Amino acid sequence: SQQGEEDPQALSIQEGENATMNCSYKTSINNLQWYRQNSGRGLVHLILIRSNEREKHSGRLRVTLDTSKKSSSLLITASRAADTASYFCGLRNKLIFGTGTLLAVQP
Amino acid sequence: DTGVSQDPRHKITKRGQNVTFRCDPISEHNRLYWYRQTLGQGPEFLTYFQNEAQLEKSRLLSDRFSAERPKGSFSTLEIQRTEQGDSAMYLCASSPDTVGDTQYFGPGTRLTVL
Repeated sequence: SQQGEEDPQALSIQEGENATMNCSYKTSINNLQWYRQNSGRGLVHLILIRSNEREKHSGRLRVTLDTSKKSSSLLITASRAADTASYFCGLRNKLIFGTGTLLAVQP
Repeated sequence: DTGVSQDPRHKITKRGQNVTFRCDPISEHNRLYWYRQTLGQGPEFLTYFQNEAQLEKSRLLSDRFSAERPKGSFSTLEIQRTEQGDSAMYLCASSPDTVGDTQYFGPGTRLTVL
């Protein structure tokens, strides 16, 4: 499969806690992108990490990439109720997605 | 609003009818993508355009599906003889002319086939 697989499938945390979700893949990549999708809405781009990068930050988001293990992780620090959404990693130009991680942040 | 727009946002149709969706990308973006998303799944790639040229089509895009981007700006996705299995969210995205660039998604068109 060329798609990324997000793990866990669902994650429930309390507001203020950190949330970590992972993406594993099998193919070679030039970059990997993380997206967020609120229920019934389109996807919102969060961050892109290139294959020659190991870590990238954007606000409360931290993404790591380990090309030797073919995996990436997305860390959301100090989570808020508004972070409740599904999170997807996308691979390659056509953005092949997995089934996503459904994050629920309880106030 | 200079983001990607899609029309209509919702469409309910009866089985066997034809439907057409429209996507207006961000104006300076040359690449335009169509995806389909069913409940609980991630979006699945359908097809993409570089300007007016349709460069790739997924095997998911059966003969009943056709997409066009006649002037390299907006795009339409038509589904003929709709089936209940076509019920899904249809997402459009656009990106600049660089491979691997960020894709910007529209809000989607939710299709329900009765």
